[in-house]
Amino acid sequence: QVQLVQSGAEVKKPGASVKVSCKASGYTFTSYGISWVRQAPGQGLEWMGWISAYNGNTNYAQKLQGRVTMTTDTSTSTAYMELRSLRSDDTAVYYCARDGHTVTTGNDYWGQGTLVTVSS
Amino acid sequence: DIQMTQSPSSLSASVGDRVTITCQASQDISNYLNWYQQKPGKAPKLLIYDASNLETGVPSRFSGSGSGTDFTFTISSLQPEDIATYYCQQYDNLGTFGGGTKVEIK
Repeated sequence: QVQLVQSGAEVKKPGASVKVSCKASGYTFTSYGISWVRQAPGQGLEWMGWISAYNGNTNYAQKLQGRVTMTTDTSTSTAYMELRSLRSDDTAVYYCARDGHTVTTGNDYWGQGTLVTVSS
Repeated sequence: DIQMTQSPSSLSASVGDRVTITCQASQDISNYLNWYQQKPGKAPKLLIYDASNLETGVPSRFSGSGSGTDFTFTISSLQPEDIATYYCQQYDNLGTFGGGTKVEIK
C-alpha cells in the first residue's frame, strides 16, 4: 500500500533552517511527483511547491521563492523540503503528498505531517 | 497568482440536509480543480478531482461541478461523519487552495 512517512517534529530558532523528509513506499517513486503543503495552527492549507521525482523539476509558491528548496533521492525514494531563514509565521504542520510527475495535479496520498515550531 | 475564493467559511446543517459550497477562481482554470476533506488533526483527503470526478472509494453523496471560474461542491445528504473542513484547490497554475469551509452539525 502507498505510504508517505515524514520525519519527526522540529523546534527551530528564528533565522535557522529546517529540512523535512518524506519517505515513500508502495509505488514507483519516479512515476510521480511530491507536493509540500503547510498548515499554520488553526489556519487553512497553503501550497508550498512541487517536485517531479521523475526529473527533479520544481515549482515553488511565489511567496517562498528563495527560501525553499525541494529535492528527491531516488535511491531511497525520499523527498526533502528545506526552508531557510525561518520566522515565527513559518510555524506550521508541513505535509508531503503524492502528485503528478510532470506538473502538479492534486494529491491522492499524504504523509502524516511534521510540526515545525519556530520560537526563540 | 490565481486566487481561490471559497464560501461560506463555515456552515451548520442538519443530518440529511443538502450542503453546497462554492469556489471562485480569479481567472479561468478550465476544470483544473480538486476538492479535499480535512478532519481535525488529520491530513487532507482527496474527494473530487478535475472538478467533477469522484475519487475511488468516496461515497456518491459527494459531488462537484463547474468549469472556468465558478465551481460547486455538494453533499447530497449530510452525515455525521462528514463533519470536517473542505477545501478547493486549483492546479491550472501551481496549486492554490481556497480558504476552507468548516461544516458542522446543527
